[in-house]
Amino acid sequence: QQQVKQSPQSLIVQKGGISIINCAYENTAFDYFPWYQQFPGKGPALLIAIRPDVSEKKEGRFTISFNKSAKQFSLHIMDSQPGDSATYFCAARIHGSSNTGKLIFGQGTTLQVKP
Amino acid sequence: NAGVMQNPRHLVRRRGQEARLRCSPMKGHSHVYWYRQLPEEGLKFMVYLQKENIIDESGMPKERFSAEFPKEGPSILRIQQVVRGDSAAYFCASSPWTIGNSPLHFGNGTRLTVT
Repeated sequence: QQQVKQSPQSLIVQKGGISIINCAYENTAFDYFPWYQQFPGKGPALLIAIRPDVSEKKEGRFTISFNKSAKQFSLHIMDSQPGDSATYFCAARIHGSSNTGKLIFGQGTTLQVKP
Repeated sequence: NAGVMQNPRHLVRRRGQEARLRCSPMKGHSHVYWYRQLPEEGLKFMVYLQKENIIDESGMPKERFSAEFPKEGPSILRIQQVVRGDSAAYFCASSPWTIGNSPLHFGNGTRLTVT
């Protein structure tokens, strides 16, 4: 129940295309859904995040779409660039002030954007 | 404005030895989290500490693993009598407070190899 399932495992997109990564969860006690970007040899870095009372959030070329009834959320990268090539993780946080940093991560999606 | 600092970046230990991983949180952050990333997997929460207190260690293996965050100095993740299965990347993250949408700031990790 405390899982976040992420797909696809890997993704290849042409430069300028749209990259879409999907995540699904079961636990309705999750209250915060961040996406992290990780480059090889580096730690994950927060990309964008959403709360379940919002259906969409956009920051530049990155958009999160959130479907509360379906318990699904997705990351869309518009106009994908080779510099976006990285591993992307969705995550979820259990509601509760003492659990701010306890995130449940998806398995990751390795994105390759071809020039 | 230094980020989360982890050392060493790479650590090689023989089976049965001890591994000590260090983490200095961002300036002003008093909450530290340790995560483990196995090859081809997402990050798994291990432990959440505040200064001199372990708040949540629900993700820590029952034996051989311990963590501390003393009043002075870095947080330490200690693995005694390492085995091959402990080979992974260990990430530390910090945050400034426990409520709200405070983002987690990750270090670049320590890659532990057990031979």
